[in-house]
Amino acid sequence: AQKITQTQPGMFVQEKEAVTLDCTYDTSDQSYGLFWYKQPSSGEMIFLIYQGSYDEQNATEGRYSLNFQKARKSANLVISASQLGDSAMYFCAMREERGSSNTGKLIFGQGTTLQVKP
Amino acid sequence: NAGVMQNPRHLVRRRGQEARLRCSPMKGHSHVYWYRQLPEEGLKFMVYLQKENIIDESGMPKERFSAEFPKEGPSILRIQQVVRGDSAAYFCASSPTRYNSPLHFGNGTRLTVT
Repeated sequence: AQKITQTQPGMFVQEKEAVTLDCTYDTSDQSYGLFWYKQPSSGEMIFLIYQGSYDEQNATEGRYSLNFQKARKSANLVISASQLGDSAMYFCAMREERGSSNTGKLIFGQGTTLQVKP
Repeated sequence: NAGVMQNPRHLVRRRGQEARLRCSPMKGHSHVYWYRQLPEEGLKFMVYLQKENIIDESGMPKERFSAEFPKEGPSILRIQQVVRGDSAAYFCASSPTRYNSPLHFGNGTRLTVT
């Protein structure tokens, strides 16, 4: 069964510094996708970044990058130059990508609360 | 291009009443997923639908909960005879395919059962 683990319930970072949010996953599938979502206090779920298991390069989207280490089954999110608006809950998620039984559903981790200090 | 639309944003029901949550996917998206989020927890998968079909309902409670995605109109998540434990945020997400694309989420419906 697929599983996502986020071991940091809460993190603090100083404004303008970089921060890494940890995510490890477990799957027997060869083809899968890894996602990060942001949930601010207002409650909506905002898609941040995607990494396919066959992508050779780490994904980047603006200030977000995904440090993908396939052998270690980790997909850490790196936020550079933190801003006050980055304060939110961050969820790592995984999705099967192939197979007739694939339903495309996302499996989520428990989340990490990030607080950016001014 | 409008995003995933969910309504109502907040819903209060008394124990024993019915709750109906609506979700209109993004234009061009035929795959709809429902998730539930309890306070301070991650999102738990409930059900996956394509137009007129339930594909995967492995996360749905066996009783009182049902979902549909008719040919015309929004997807509906229906909870009959609500109990306090049903209080949660319910999110709908849509996707154009099963593969290689993120799920786009609505803003959720916060259900409170009194």
